[in-house]
Amino acid sequence: RKEVEQDPGPFNVPEGATVAFNCTYSNSASQSFFWYRQDCRKEPKLLMSVYSSGNEDGRFTAQLNRASQYISLLIRDSKLSDSATYLCVPTGGFKTIFGAGTRLFVKA
Amino acid sequence: NAGVTQTPKFQVLKTGQSMTLQCAQDMNHNSMYWYRQDPGMGLRLIYYSASEGTTDKGEVPNGYNVSRLNKREFSLRLESAAPSQTSVYFCASGVAGKNPTYGYTFGSGTRLTVV
Repeated sequence: RKEVEQDPGPFNVPEGATVAFNCTYSNSASQSFFWYRQDCRKEPKLLMSVYSSGNEDGRFTAQLNRASQYISLLIRDSKLSDSATYLCVPTGGFKTIFGAGTRLFVKA
Repeated sequence: NAGVTQTPKFQVLKTGQSMTLQCAQDMNHNSMYWYRQDPGMGLRLIYYSASEGTTDKGEVPNGYNVSRLNKREFSLRLESAAPSQTSVYFCASGVAGKNPTYGYTFGSGTRLTVV
């Protein structure tokens, strides 16, 4: 089983749509959880941390379910600029594993 | 701007040549990392340095060496480049330990082609 599993997509959505990404992880020792976004041919950038209580940052909502080892990201009112690859990143210690991510295309 | 600086941004090597990729951060982070990313793939950890003076292997260390020169700088060396090392290399830094809570900051990458 892969350490991080995400639907690779691509997700093609119109502007204004709501889209959700899911991720499962296998390492139950993971202690911190993040979503990163990566634009084409660019470096990953930290989007938000993920907490069990759920957290929201503008149009973005992240949720963690430790019991199910499941992380989600919800994007509301999608913008063209949201087009990117979204990486789910559970971490524990120093050997952080990044999956290939989920590709999102937002169309006008 | 504060952050992680990588040099060079682009490099073409011939098979068998050596080179060093440089990385420096000015955020006073204790841990630093080197990843490689092949087309359509996730990032794979090559080496990391939990703190100044320590380095450890990641998933794909073969063919690479690293040096944590001081708290700010972490270099990656290819002693004898091979075409399989053609990739984009990212350096990252973070505040890490038993419970890393702040995520990593990445440099803009080095695009390396070995012919």
